[in-house]
Amino acid sequence: AQSVTQLDSQVPVFEEAPVELRCNYSSSVSVYLFWYVQYPNQGLQLLLKYLSGSTLVKGINGFEAEFNKSQTSFHLRKPSVHISDTAEYFCAVSVTAGNKLTFGGGTRVLVKP
Amino acid sequence: KAGVTQTPRYLIKTRGQQVTLSCSPISGHRSVSWYQQTPGQGLQFLFEYFSETQRNKGNFPGRFSGRQFSNSRSEMNVSTLELGDSALYLCASSLERMGYTFGSGTRLTVV
Repeated sequence: AQSVTQLDSQVPVFEEAPVELRCNYSSSVSVYLFWYVQYPNQGLQLLLKYLSGSTLVKGINGFEAEFNKSQTSFHLRKPSVHISDTAEYFCAVSVTAGNKLTFGGGTRVLVKP
Repeated sequence: KAGVTQTPRYLIKTRGQQVTLSCSPISGHRSVSWYQQTPGQGLQFLFEYFSETQRNKGNFPGRFSGRQFSNSRSEMNVSTLELGDSALYLCASSLERMGYTFGSGTRLTVV
């Protein structure tokens, strides 16, 4: 079975400051990794994904994440946040069979002016 | 192209009733998954359908069921509703292993 841990439940950050959201996973097999964002009263929007290849993945809205196999991590970063980045962010993994996503508990990002 | 469409957006039901939620995937996507999101348990996998067959199932009681039609549209049904079934139910569709596109969800309130 897989598990995902998002180490911070809430991250306050000032506008135009950088932010890093931490994600660690546990799995006995190779995984695919995803970051999703959820705005209030909405579904999940895919920010980026790691399937294979380069460990640095660039996504939408200026986000990027780095896959570190030895540390089983997939941290999300943005060099300069905007008020509109206020949302909840979810890290998720899936294995090659079954396509089931296992989510972390989420990190609420509050961007302050 | 159109995204994943879930209907209805909001639903209020009484304990003991049953409910059916609908999901229309992105055209060409044959995999449809359902998730339950609650403040206490977070996002939990319910089941996944591929080409009308249930391919994977989460740890939910038998009151939760689903199906997929030949056009890939999917429905999930919850019978004998309990207060704890109040949640946001999310549907996602995907091409194999290429990531999931989620709908806006159905907010179910059981009173």
